Amino acid sequence: KNEVEQSPQNLTAQEGEFITINCSYSVGISALHWLQQHPGGGIVSLFMLSSGKKKHGRLIATINIQEKHSSLHITASHPRDSAVYICAVSPEIQGAQKLVFGQGTRLTINP
Amino acid sequence: EAQVTQNPRYLITVTGKKLTVTCSQNMNHEYMSWYRQDPGLGLRQIYYSMNVEVTDKGDVPEGYKVSRKEKRNFPLILESPSPNQTSLYFCASSLSMYNQPQHFGDGTRLSIL
Repeated sequence: KNEVEQSPQNLTAQEGEFITINCSYSVGISALHWLQQHPGGGIVSLFMLSSGKKKHGRLIATINIQEKHSSLHITASHPRDSAVYICAVSPEIQGAQKLVFGQGTRLTINP
Repeated sequence: EAQVTQNPRYLITVTGKKLTVTCSQNMNHEYMSWYRQDPGLGLRQIYYSMNVEVTDKGDVPEGYKVSRKEKRNFPLILESPSPNQTSLYFCASSLSMYNQPQHFGDGTRLSIL
């Protein structure tokens, strides 16, 4: 079993829909990252969380440390949001310098 | 512009021919790391460096070497590349090792024939 599990693996939605991507992890962590990878391949860091909730524009990330779960929400989704979204954690036991990645969620927003 | 620059972006080469993928950052970041991305396996860490002259293995270090002689540069060396090292490689940097957002390069697609 992977240390970081994302769901769903693939998600297709219509423009304007509210999107939720989930990330569950099995180890104690010092931080959780949400990354975005566009079709061209480049990776951008969206959020880094250790508790609570963060918001940037139409994107919201939440984390529940007790339940070992994080969600990434996209409000008023747009075709330009189409990308692979990757969850990554820094396991406490290995120190902050390591990242363990989920498999990614491929999001397609149709106009 | 703050960035992480990888070169080359694409390379096709043959088994056994030594190659180096360069990575340079202009943000004075202490922490740098190399990852490979493979279909079905996702991103995996190869090596990381917490500062100049300080490097350590990630999850998949076999067949790779790194060095950190200067703060800005963190090259990835494949001494004797093999086909199983065909992959998409990313270099990343962050301000420190302590839970900082990572800045990624654009990726290097390597094909080893």
